[in-house]
Amino acid sequence: EPEVTQTPSHQVTQMGQEVILRCVPISNHLYFYWYRQILGQKVEFLVSFYNNEISEKSEIFDDQFSVERPDGSNFTLKIRSTKLEDSAMYFCASIPGTMNTEAFFGQGTRLTVV
Amino acid sequence: AQSVTQLGSHVSVSEGALVLLRCNYSSSVPPYLFWYVQYPNQGLQLLLKYTSAATLVKGINGFEAEFKKSETSFHLTKPSAHMSDAAEYFCAVIENTGGFKTIFGAGTRLFVKA
Repeated sequence: EPEVTQTPSHQVTQMGQEVILRCVPISNHLYFYWYRQILGQKVEFLVSFYNNEISEKSEIFDDQFSVERPDGSNFTLKIRSTKLEDSAMYFCASIPGTMNTEAFFGQGTRLTVV
Repeated sequence: AQSVTQLGSHVSVSEGALVLLRCNYSSSVPPYLFWYVQYPNQGLQLLLKYTSAATLVKGINGFEAEFKKSETSFHLTKPSAHMSDAAEYFCAVIENTGGFKTIFGAGTRLFVKA
């Protein structure tokens, strides 16, 4: 069964450093997403990506964040100059391109900023 | 805009008792609704989905949910709780504009007492 894969599963970084979270969406899917879940809180939408560009972003997704699909398979989230409050679980997801299906989520990357 | 509201951040039941987790939605168009489960330190697992085919939806692990348009509800139930059901449960809806992002409720933590 196809699945969304995320690497690494856990990353620890020093405050102020840049991190790149990686995702491989399901191959024939068209929409890609990043979500964030701060410990003990709800899952929050960050950004959606379609046709090689951002289609929507939340107010959380400020200039510190960027996304890229560098090679047609990987989908990355870059966080520049990390802050303590960026510590969270980050989920990647994809959907085929129609809305009557669930988003397929990866297992997440736990980012810890120290 | 579409949204979901989960009533009760914590629910505690005894093993063998009925599980009822409440979710109400807000949508001007027929919604696509989902329930996800998240076990401690793990990712999001789809329990079930409503995509307008049948109002009573059966999912994994003995869970089911009924879509009630008149009550704008999509409550999750299980006749008999098991200890292994202890987890966080999220109701979610796909927004039917733009990038089809998934909007999550705040979550309900289910505790199961022996």
